[in-house]
Amino acid sequence: DTGVSQDPRHKITKRGQNVTFRCDPISEHNRLYWYRQTLGQGPEFLTYFQNEAQLEKSRLLSDRFSAERPKGSFSTLEIQRTEQGDSAMYLCASSLYIAGGLQETQYFGPGTRLLVL
Amino acid sequence: SQQGEEDPQALSIQEGENATMNCSYKTSINNLQWYRQNSGRGLVHLILIRSNEREKHSGRLRVTLDTSKKSSSLLITASRAADTASYFCATDSGAGSYQLTFGKGTKLSVIP
Repeated sequence: DTGVSQDPRHKITKRGQNVTFRCDPISEHNRLYWYRQTLGQGPEFLTYFQNEAQLEKSRLLSDRFSAERPKGSFSTLEIQRTEQGDSAMYLCASSLYIAGGLQETQYFGPGTRLLVL
Repeated sequence: SQQGEEDPQALSIQEGENATMNCSYKTSINNLQWYRQNSGRGLVHLILIRSNEREKHSGRLRVTLDTSKKSSSLLITASRAADTASYFCATDSGAGSYQLTFGKGTKLSVIP
């Protein structure tokens, strides 16, 4: 396995509820990414962290979404006031970035599948 | 938005045959990567090819990259039933942006 873990693996919630997902990256990796994947589509980038700093956010990340990586290790993604359109697979990936180095491989976790009823 | 477009969208072959999937992208890239995803699971990294490389091999996988045509191909030789999965190409544009941009994928079915 890649070593990236995500919890929970599945979440069913009612519209309007808040949900929080957790991602534990590969231990020595300093970068952590969140992606969202809907049925029949490829993953779409949401945001990424280098250590604890959130360096880039997609326009897909509305103000109902917030991500944190407080100690530069695990990360949480919270969705407030969920909508049916939030139903998707949320994927986390991690990588080791070395300054001045070439682009590193991103290793993905198993994902959290969210269903909003 | 999706950067890459895989072709075909679905491919069905007999075990032992070769499978070829193509990917086209729109903007200049730093690297191109191929990932595999089994149904309902996370993505498994297969191979990374840099923009200054033209061909790369890994086991039964062969990847080519033509930056002038903005296209890549993934060849799986001697396919096995376990190769049944969706295959995605992903690009990053460099220039300080490390997000991966994925295509919609090719769904490969290998019939035993």
